[in-house]
Amino acid sequence: DGGITQSPKYLFRKEGQNVTLSCEQNLNHDAMYWYRQDPGQGLRLIYYSQIVNDFQKGDIAEGYSVSREKKESFPLTVTSAQKNPTAFYLCASSLIAAGNSYNEQFFGPGTRLTVL
Amino acid sequence: GENVEQHPSTLSVQEGDSAVIKCTYSDSASNYFPWYKQELGKGPQLIIDIRSNVGEKKDQRIAVTLNKTAKHFSLHITETQPEDSAVYFCAATDLFGTGTSLTVIP
Repeated sequence: DGGITQSPKYLFRKEGQNVTLSCEQNLNHDAMYWYRQDPGQGLRLIYYSQIVNDFQKGDIAEGYSVSREKKESFPLTVTSAQKNPTAFYLCASSLIAAGNSYNEQFFGPGTRLTVL
Repeated sequence: GENVEQHPSTLSVQEGDSAVIKCTYSDSASNYFPWYKQELGKGPQLIIDIRSNVGEKKDQRIAVTLNKTAKHFSLHITETQPEDSAVYFCAATDLFGTGTSLTVIP
């Protein structure tokens, strides 16, 4: 059963702690993305990766870090430097077609992070 | 910077009526325009998409129109049903709109 998974669904952390959100896909997609979703603000891109061992900052990368050691995995670390980390985090993946043509993004179910 | 504007932010319609959501984009190089539906507590899912070489696309009760000259595109849902209630996002290539919360009143 192919898809993209995120774990855990709910996560609670104390202020000042780093926390890592998991994202795994078995769709053989090259590209993976992390978004942050706040009420009424849509999806804001944190980081994206188009190939293993390479990733690019999105619009709101400050206070976050990622790694892409395997094609299937793209974990996101929310560091203590992120001022307002409480949010709903979404991971997505997509195929990269010839000529860098964009395609549908497949989203995971999301992780709701609450920092106390 | 580049952006995508989406209107309205909330929309309520009676069951059976039509719903229209509109988006405008600023990057003239955009060539892929997907629409996603997000149900409560879940990730968004693609419902329809259109590429820049096409002006209109229809799939059963949903349709999308694209005007590249004016840089705007719209989602049309006809014969709305309560299960259409969700948040809808447009996107221009990889830049998302702010979402429209659609409520279909039975």
